[in-house]
Amino acid sequence: DIHMNQSPSSVSASVGDRVTITCRASQTISNYLNWYQQKPGKAPKLLIYAAFSLQSGVPSRFSGSGSRTDFTLSISSLQPDDFATYYCQQSYSAPYTFGQGTKLEIK
Amino acid sequence: EVQLLESGGGLVQPGGSLRLSCAGAGFTFTTYPMTWVRQAPGKGLEWVSLISGDGHNTYYAESVKGRFTISRDNSKSTLYLQMNSLGADDTAVYYCAKENGETSAADSWGQGTLVTVSS
Repeated sequence: DIHMNQSPSSVSASVGDRVTITCRASQTISNYLNWYQQKPGKAPKLLIYAAFSLQSGVPSRFSGSGSRTDFTLSISSLQPDDFATYYCQQSYSAPYTFGQGTKLEIK
Repeated sequence: EVQLLESGGGLVQPGGSLRLSCAGAGFTFTTYPMTWVRQAPGKGLEWVSLISGDGHNTYYAESVKGRFTISRDNSKSTLYLQMNSLGADDTAVYYCAKENGETSAADSWGQGTLVTVSS
């Protein structure tokens, strides 16, 4: 199985800040990397697929980059609605494993 | 609008069985692979199982292989997860999700159904 390692596990930031979350795969996954946002008590929401493609309806302040084993999710100017937990997931090879999550908290 | 509605969760004793259902609407169900993902209380997301659009190909996480069976009835636009030999570690909210058919990202999710394994 492919292991996904996300960092940091938590981060504190303020409205307007730029935040970056990283995800590393244990082997190459080409660009089969997805990012999800989850708020407490809610289902996850797809933000980015195929490493950098923005899902329809997702604000352009979210962006993704990377390939092979190293990937990044960036949020350019944090808004109050962005405080949530973020997960990466590889969809290169089943089982489609998730990272452990990054909790984004208000400073 | 895509809609996914899970049902079948509840309290079950250790060693017991449960079948989850996920009814899809608003899209051509047979076209898309479908996935089950679970989340234990206070924990992260765990991918559980995947089934191809025609139902011929299935995949499982090692943690559920041999105990869980994913299936689908395309005539009813419904996805299933048969869960046997349940243990406390299977306690979680179970989500069904539709894949995007391009890069296997889960682009639509149900609201989840809670499975509690306890005596």
